[in-house]
Amino acid sequence: NAGVTQTPKFQVLKTGQSMTLQCAQDMNHEYMSWYRQDPGMGLRLIHYSVGAGITDQGEVPNGYNVSRSTTEDFPLRLLSAAPSQTSVYFCASSYRDSQPQHFGDGTRLSIL
Amino acid sequence: GENVEQHPSTLSVQEGDSAVIKCTYSDSASNYFPWYKQELGKRPQLIIDIRSNVGEKKDQRIAVTLNKTAKHFSLHITETQPEDSAVYFCAASKNTGNQFYFGTGTSLTVIP
Repeated sequence: NAGVTQTPKFQVLKTGQSMTLQCAQDMNHEYMSWYRQDPGMGLRLIHYSVGAGITDQGEVPNGYNVSRSTTEDFPLRLLSAAPSQTSVYFCASSYRDSQPQHFGDGTRLSIL
Repeated sequence: GENVEQHPSTLSVQEGDSAVIKCTYSDSASNYFPWYKQELGKRPQLIIDIRSNVGEKKDQRIAVTLNKTAKHFSLHITETQPEDSAVYFCAASKNTGNQFYFGTGTSLTVIP
């Protein structure tokens, strides 16, 4: 099993551009989440999903969209990139509630 | 929502000494408390977790304690080794769609 796979690993964008961060898992996990990690602030939940077709907002959802058309994939879309969205983004999945989360390797995103 | 506080933010210990990291949480409904280790440039990886029906759990040199009444939990690492140097995150969640709330991290340095 590959686990949780994120692409791309690195990306540089200009302010106002849009892009999609990809996340895929092959563990048949129902639950998937997106986090951003900024220095001194830990990991903050952006959006999460408890199954295909079901998504909800986390702590910091503004400026991001998600969809969950399949169990395996959970892409994160930046609608109009802003410098404040420069961060490391992690995708995670778990089997169900209150179970360990498995993280991807992260996407390092810089917005100029 | 949940608020997780973590202390200290940095910790230096001599090799062979013990290290203790403490976290508090605000939501009494939280029932699952994982700890993650993150090496520089890597993904967070689960090292130990505890559920609210247990007061203490141990795995070799690592132990976690939970005090539900006081709403705090702690990570204990004994006989520290240089490879224990990393950033450690605590987290809390409850049975509401796998929302995890993370502490801001503790940077542990083990001095040989």
